[in-house]
Amino acid sequence: DTAVSQTPKYLVTQMGNDKSIKCEQNLGHDTMYWYKQDSKKFLKIMFSYNNKELIINETVPNRFSPKSPDKAHLNLHINSLELGDSAVYFCASSQDTFYAGANEQFFGPGTRLTVL
Amino acid sequence: AQTVTQSQPEMSVQEAETVTLSCTYDTSESDYYLFWYKQPPSRQMILVIRQEAYKQQNATENRFSVNFQKAAKSFSLKISDSQLGDAAMYFCAYRPVGGSQGNLIFGKGTKLSVKP
Repeated sequence: DTAVSQTPKYLVTQMGNDKSIKCEQNLGHDTMYWYKQDSKKFLKIMFSYNNKELIINETVPNRFSPKSPDKAHLNLHINSLELGDSAVYFCASSQDTFYAGANEQFFGPGTRLTVL
Repeated sequence: AQTVTQSQPEMSVQEAETVTLSCTYDTSESDYYLFWYKQPPSRQMILVIRQEAYKQQNATENRFSVNFQKAAKSFSLKISDSQLGDAAMYFCAYRPVGGSQGNLIFGKGTKLSVKP
């Protein structure tokens, strides 16, 4: 069974469209994250949710809106897509961020988003 | 703000040889965690090794070991007996202790090539 899954793995769309990426983890973790990996492979945190509550919201355009219907799911919705949004988006999860210690963050396979 | 620097964009090693990847970080915290993640061409992020800053002993995982120099804020990864499957991007990452900021702060990565 896949620990952290993302759908879709590839997403090609036109500028101006709205799209969503779904993430699910079956590890029973309390905390989930969205990271963005740009064309130079640089990974940066976008959002973090702990028990469905937004914890981290880095400087991300408000066209990006995360939604966590329950602690096993964290979806990412993007409005009015722009060329610069093209990247690989990774979902991750870990157990209990507050006292997480060196707990491993488990990553999904990533979603490669291409905006034309 | 914490930062992580990987000064070697690319490295190359002969199969069966040893290679060391460099990482330095900047933080005013005294307690934190450090990680090395591997990202092969499949894109999957895989944890290689982790280190708790309060532990003086360097972490070891089979062929992978770290040289953790807290005063110098240095955290290098040594790969012994390199194998073709070790070819990947390697990311050094920092994570604060406690609080709500459980996200990883990544360096820009080192691309490791392994020559047969």
